[in-house]
This record gives sequence, C-alpha cells and structure tokens, in this order.
Amino acid sequence: DAGVIQSPRHEVTEMGQEVTLRCKPISGHDYLFWYRQTMMRGLELLIYFNNNVPIDDSGMPEDRFSAKMPNASFSTLKIQPSEPRDSAVYFCASRLAGSASHEQFFGPGTRLTVL
Amino acid sequence: KQEVTQIPAALSVPEGENLVLNCSFTDSAIYNLQWFRQDPGKGLTSLLLIQSSQREQTSGRLNASLDKSSGRSTLYIAASQPGDSATYLCAVTTGSARQLTFGSGTQLTVLP
Repeated sequence: DAGVIQSPRHEVTEMGQEVTLRCKPISGHDYLFWYRQTMMRGLELLIYFNNNVPIDDSGMPEDRFSAKMPNASFSTLKIQPSEPRDSAVYFCASRLAGSASHEQFFGPGTRLTVL
Repeated sequence: KQEVTQIPAALSVPEGENLVLNCSFTDSAIYNLQWFRQDPGKGLTSLLLIQSSQREQTSGRLNASLDKSSGRSTLYIAASQPGDSATYLCAVTTGSARQLTFGSGTQLTVLP
C-alpha cells in the first residue's frame, strides 16, 4: 500500500483565499483524522471520521474550517477564508478499527503558508 | 482531558552519549503510547509503539519504557549520533476513536 497520501505537499496562498487540503487514507481503514501542527500549540486533533461520518469536530478552531469525507478513499479540509494564523502543517492519519495495535498511520503533511 | 508533557523541551549532547527523554500523561486510561521522530520540515516517523499491557519496546539503539500507573514513559537512546538530531514526540492513544494526544516534543541535538 502507498500509505496515507496528502496533497498538495506545500501550499502558499494569500489571506482571504479558499484553501482545500486533500487526503487519501490507507485502503480499508475506517477511521480518518486531521491534525494541525503549529509552533505555539504543537500537534492537535481537528476532526475525525468513522466510516466517512464526522464524529468529533470539537478541535476545529473556527467556522472557517470545514471537513468532508464523501467516500472511504477521500477527505478534504477546507479553510474559507484563510488567514495568516492558519499557517501550519496539516497532517492526515488513518487507522483500522479492528487493529489490535490501535496504530494510526500518518501522511507526509501539507505545509500551508497564508500571506 | 488528557495532557501529555515532555521534558526537557530541548537537549544538546555530545556524540556517543546515552540519553533519556521523558514523557508524562495525566490519564492512565490509554491504549498505547507512541514515540515519533520529526526532522525539520518533515513528517512524523513512528519509532516505537508500546501497548498498554507492555512495559517496554526496543528497536536498535532505542528503548522505550511505559509505566501506565504512574503516567510515565521514557525513551532511551544509546550511543547517540549526529543523525539522531531531531524532535522527538510522545503521544498516547485514548478515547473511543483511539485518537492521539501529543506532547510538545523534545528537540535533540547531538554534537559531533
């Protein structure tokens, strides 16, 4: 398997623009997580899905952030409008519910810079 | 709410030294604990995963221990090398979704 795939790897945009980050989980995994990493707050969970359904979005910082999972192989995290303080690395991870190890597998991340 | 703390925040050692990184967590109801490595500008590399029923895991020069009852874990690195320089993150798995809560990391520099 190719692992968790994220795109783009780097994104530079201007304040006010819409940004869409994409994630393809490992095939067969039924949990998908979005994390954000900043210098100030470290790595924090934004939202997670189980079987394509959003379960807990309490980590989403503002209504400008939204996430969808239209099918088992694709998820998006959208920021509209973007602000400079959204600059961070966004990671996607997936795991298999029946896994005895409970291990999550991470994608390479998307480094977002909002000017 | 689970909180994970890592001490020290930064560590600089000469090459060849053995070193210990510390991680503590507030809620002992964890499924597992993971240590990750992150190089500057890069993603997360999983180093070791210790299940809640285990006491330690070893991989090469790395050894991680877990004392769930006291909410502590250590990562021991033997004979450190400059290539070990990176940020080391500790994370615990909790909750119905087995989500991860991360510490803020220890930035390690191994001097040649």
